[in-house]
Amino acid sequence: KQEVTQIPAALSVPEGENLVLNCSFTDSAIYNLQWFRQDPGKGLTSLLLIQSSQREQTSGRLNASLDKSSGRSTLYIAASQPGDSATYLCAVCHSGYALNFGKGTSLLVTP
Amino acid sequence: DVKVTQSSRYLVKRTGEKVFLECVQDMDHENMFWYRQDPGLGLRLIYFSYDVKMKEKGDIPEGYSVSREKKERFSLILESASTNQTSMYLCASRPGLAGSYEQYFGPGTRLTVT
Repeated sequence: KQEVTQIPAALSVPEGENLVLNCSFTDSAIYNLQWFRQDPGKGLTSLLLIQSSQREQTSGRLNASLDKSSGRSTLYIAASQPGDSATYLCAVCHSGYALNFGKGTSLLVTP
Repeated sequence: DVKVTQSSRYLVKRTGEKVFLECVQDMDHENMFWYRQDPGLGLRLIYFSYDVKMKEKGDIPEGYSVSREKKERFSLILESASTNQTSMYLCASRPGLAGSYEQYFGPGTRLTVT
């Protein structure tokens, strides 16, 4: 069974710092990997989707990388802002349909 | 923009009641999903549907059933609600080409069973 792990579980940084969130998965036979953001009590907002054949994707201050052979992905956030405070979830599409989720990294960016 | 809507943001029901959670998507997606999210357990798949009237069990289908009579609508049914079904329920949809597209989520329904 595909297991997805996110480290760290929580992170607090001062505004302006660059930061990296980590995601690892046990089975490298994935279709794609998706990063989401979740604000308290809300649904999930898709941030980036990386296909299994891709190495990275960028959107604004966000950059996600994928190393399928080692079962790892990172989400890089540049010049963090208080508005980036949220929980970030990593999910892999393993079976072709549903996603397997990590438990998330809770990020707090302090002014 | 893709829009996934859920019928209620908050719902309070009594033990033993039959509960219906509705999800509607407006992008003609073939695939629809129901997850539940619990602290410490993360998101877990309950059921998914890859076509009208088609359904597949996810990781935790016990105590739930689903209905998909129209392409845009996917309903989750709690036949007899129990307190351990208190949770955040999230619906998602995705286009039909297997594995190639991102999932879009609704705002969630916070269900409390008393």
